[in-house]
Amino acid sequence: NAGVTQTPKFQVLKTGQSMTLQCAQDMNHEYMSWYRQDPGMGLRLIHYSVGAGITDQGEVPNGYNVSRSTTEDFPLRLLSAAPSQTSVYFCASRHGQGDVQPQHFGDGTRLSIL
Amino acid sequence: AQSVAQPEDQVNVAEGNPLTVKCTYSVSGNPYLFWYVQYPNRGLQFLLKYITGDNLVKGSYGFEAEFNKSQTSFHLKKPSALVSDSALYFCAVRDLDRYNFNKFYFGSGTKLNVKP
Repeated sequence: NAGVTQTPKFQVLKTGQSMTLQCAQDMNHEYMSWYRQDPGMGLRLIHYSVGAGITDQGEVPNGYNVSRSTTEDFPLRLLSAAPSQTSVYFCASRHGQGDVQPQHFGDGTRLSIL
Repeated sequence: AQSVAQPEDQVNVAEGNPLTVKCTYSVSGNPYLFWYVQYPNRGLQFLLKYITGDNLVKGSYGFEAEFNKSQTSFHLKKPSALVSDSALYFCAVRDLDRYNFNKFYFGSGTKLNVKP
């Protein structure tokens, strides 16, 4: 049971380049989310999904796109990278049924935009 | 909007001493509160949650948290700190969106340093 897997672990981009951060979970969780972590600011929600085909924006969605074609995968796309998007990105998933279930986090993708 | 605040960027304690990491919240309605821990180069790990019931909530690794409605606080505690408890701790509160999805709002984090 791998849990939540994020790839790549590290990435350096130039301003204006595009890339996709991958996230996969093998726990059959309905809900998946993307966060960015910046020093002194905790984690801020970028986008989330409540199931395949359903996504919505979080606190800081600008500059990012998502899609959810399968239950397992929830990729995050940067269309034109900017230095302000230098951050550590975390994907999380959890069950949607019953009580408020805790989230399971991946180990993060450390992204630098030059 | 729901929010949490962690007033201390860093907490230093000696091994064997009790520790407290503070969190205050601002919510409309009943609060659903969480504590997570983050070790270097890892994602967050769930420690405990308060939904309803007893004000003292017990969680993983010997941690507990005390919910105080009058002071709108949810402080994380441990009776005897270990060096291995040194990590970054996050308080979080949930909100509901139009899908009834639980959106989590995190505090800025508190770095706990436990010295031998």
